[in-house]
Amino acid sequence: GQNIDQPTEMTATEGAIVQINCTYQTSGFNGLFWYQQHAGEAPTFLSYNVLDGLEEKGRFSSFLSRSKGYSYLLLKELQMKDSASYLCAPMDSNYQLIWGAGTKLIIKP
Amino acid sequence: GAVVSQHPSWVICKSGTSVKIECRSLDFQATTMFWYRQFPKQSLMLMATSNEGSKATYEQGVEKDKFLINHASLTLSTLTVTSAHPEDSSFYICSRLGTLDSPNTEAFFGQGTRLTVV
Repeated sequence: GQNIDQPTEMTATEGAIVQINCTYQTSGFNGLFWYQQHAGEAPTFLSYNVLDGLEEKGRFSSFLSRSKGYSYLLLKELQMKDSASYLCAPMDSNYQLIWGAGTKLIIKP
Repeated sequence: GAVVSQHPSWVICKSGTSVKIECRSLDFQATTMFWYRQFPKQSLMLMATSNEGSKATYEQGVEKDKFLINHASLTLSTLTVTSAHPEDSSFYICSRLGTLDSPNTEAFFGQGTRLTVV
């Protein structure tokens, strides 16, 4: 079956760095997306990885290892507004996004 | 700016009434759009895939007679929750994949609709 595994909740301090891990199993693979979702709002796109390696975009970076079925999202210089849920979503062979429950990130001053 | 527009952003309705939610693809003619439901603290759950000019494809456990989907044009898909009950209260989100240049990359989401059935 298809499965996403990410921590339910993480806590970090403002200004620090946090890494959110995601492991996945899908039927085929067409890339992996990370989305940010604030409570009561729709998800917003953060990053997309289709090849192995690190993609950097400002304070956010995302890493993919296809052979390990593993990705992480790295957030640097954390700000209070980064408090949100972070959703790891691989795309399967039918181009369907498979959604996990997300990781709720709490930023403390 | 937004490329998928969803309306209304919130609605309160009486039990037994029907509610229609609209989802528009603003910059791209989308033959396929997706409807999700999200309960508090849970993941997005795909309800159905809306296909322009043909019947929607519903996920297992989703009642097609209760959640009517119409994709009459390449820019508009609608979800109608018929005979709504309090247990239908949820956050409903539509999305489409991709852009003109990259049809299967990135999911663009509407703003979501918070439905409360009283």
